[in-house]
Amino acid sequence: DTGVSQNPRHKITKRGQNVTFRCDPISEHNRLYWYRQTLGQGPEFLTYFQNEAQLEKSRLLSDRFSAERPKGSFSTLEIQRTEQGDSAMYLCASRPGRTPQETQYFGPGTRLLVL
Amino acid sequence: AQSVTQLDSHVSVSEGTPVLLRCNYSSSYSPSLFWYVQHPNKGLQLLLKYTSAATLVKGINGFEAEFKKSETSFHLTKPSAHMSDAAEYFCVVRVGGTYKYIFGTGTRLKVLA
Repeated sequence: DTGVSQNPRHKITKRGQNVTFRCDPISEHNRLYWYRQTLGQGPEFLTYFQNEAQLEKSRLLSDRFSAERPKGSFSTLEIQRTEQGDSAMYLCASRPGRTPQETQYFGPGTRLLVL
Repeated sequence: AQSVTQLDSHVSVSEGTPVLLRCNYSSSYSPSLFWYVQHPNKGLQLLLKYTSAATLVKGINGFEAEFKKSETSFHLTKPSAHMSDAAEYFCVVRVGGTYKYIFGTGTRLKVLA
């Protein structure tokens, strides 16, 4: 199966530590999204890449959050100085460009727990 | 500002009976609307998308949704529920002129045997 993969699947960290998550999109998908989903809520948009360019960024993405997609393939999301409020599921999605359905293919997510 | 409101956080139906999951939207533009489904321990999957070509949109697994501009609604329906339909369903709007998608808070569908 060559779906979207995310690593790690689970991460437990202490408050104040930095964490980094990785997303490998479906091969040849040039569009990539990051979302955050807390318990009982829908996914919240964080950021969007088209190839290596970060074209959209939510206000939710504070100075502590940064995302990269250096070669237009995999992407990383880093959270610095984690806070307990950062505990959530972090979802990555990818899609090919210019498809009518705009179907996003989601990965299984990385669940973060900040103690 | 564009947004979606899912009117029910939980819906229970008996197997074989119709399903109705309600979604209202707020949009200044002609909206791009979607329904996604999230099964336990599985990734989100697109059910259908409103494209403005037709107000009644057919999706996968027998689901369909009707866009009603006068009511600003985009409710999801299925004539006959199956046990495998038990999941969380999200109504989604793309913010016009951007790449940003806004998800509703979700409706958890329970199907009773």
